[in-house]
Amino acid sequence: AQTVTQSQPEMSVQEAETVTLSCTYDTSESDYYLFWYKQPPSRQMILVIRQEAYKQQNATENRFSVNFQKAAKSFSLKISDSQLGDAAMYFCAYRRGSGAGSYQLTFGKGTKLSVIP
Amino acid sequence: EAGVAQSPRYKIIEKRQSVAFWCNPISGHATLYWYQQILGQGPKLLIQFQNNGVVDDSQLPKDRFSAERLKGVDSTLKIQPAKLEDSAVYLCASSLMYNEQFFGPGTRLTVL
Repeated sequence: AQTVTQSQPEMSVQEAETVTLSCTYDTSESDYYLFWYKQPPSRQMILVIRQEAYKQQNATENRFSVNFQKAAKSFSLKISDSQLGDAAMYFCAYRRGSGAGSYQLTFGKGTKLSVIP
Repeated sequence: EAGVAQSPRYKIIEKRQSVAFWCNPISGHATLYWYQQILGQGPKLLIQFQNNGVVDDSQLPKDRFSAERLKGVDSTLKIQPAKLEDSAVYLCASSLMYNEQFFGPGTRLTVL
């Protein structure tokens, strides 16, 4: 079974600074996707960024980028120029890439990010 | 484009009562998921539908939970009877086949 581990229950960052959230995962599959989701307080979960395992290039979406280390099974999220609106729970998630059956997301426990003005 | 709709947003019940949650996915999305998110944890899949067929319900406590997706559109998740440990946020998500999952706002259930 796949597992996703987020070892930082809480993190804080000063506004305009950079922060990195950590995630490790375990899988025996070679075809999979990794995601970072953002869940603001009392608001719905939205996708921040995703990475296909077969792509060596790290994904980037504006101020958000990932450091994908496939051999180490590590998938960290870097947020640059942090803004107050970035404050939220961040979840790392795994999903298999192909084949019949379930395409459920397997989530970590989350990291609560606070942004200090 | 309208997002995933869920109702009610909040529900408080006594243990051993029954409760039902409703989800309307994004139009055209064939795949629908129900996740349970207990406080302090990440969401966990309860059931996945492809159109009106069940793809995965291996983590659904079938002695008390049931779900259906009639006509391959709306879905209802029911708990009967509820236990204290069922207190959680129930999230519905939908996707075009196996693409990105879009989440609804969730239903927060409190069982007293």
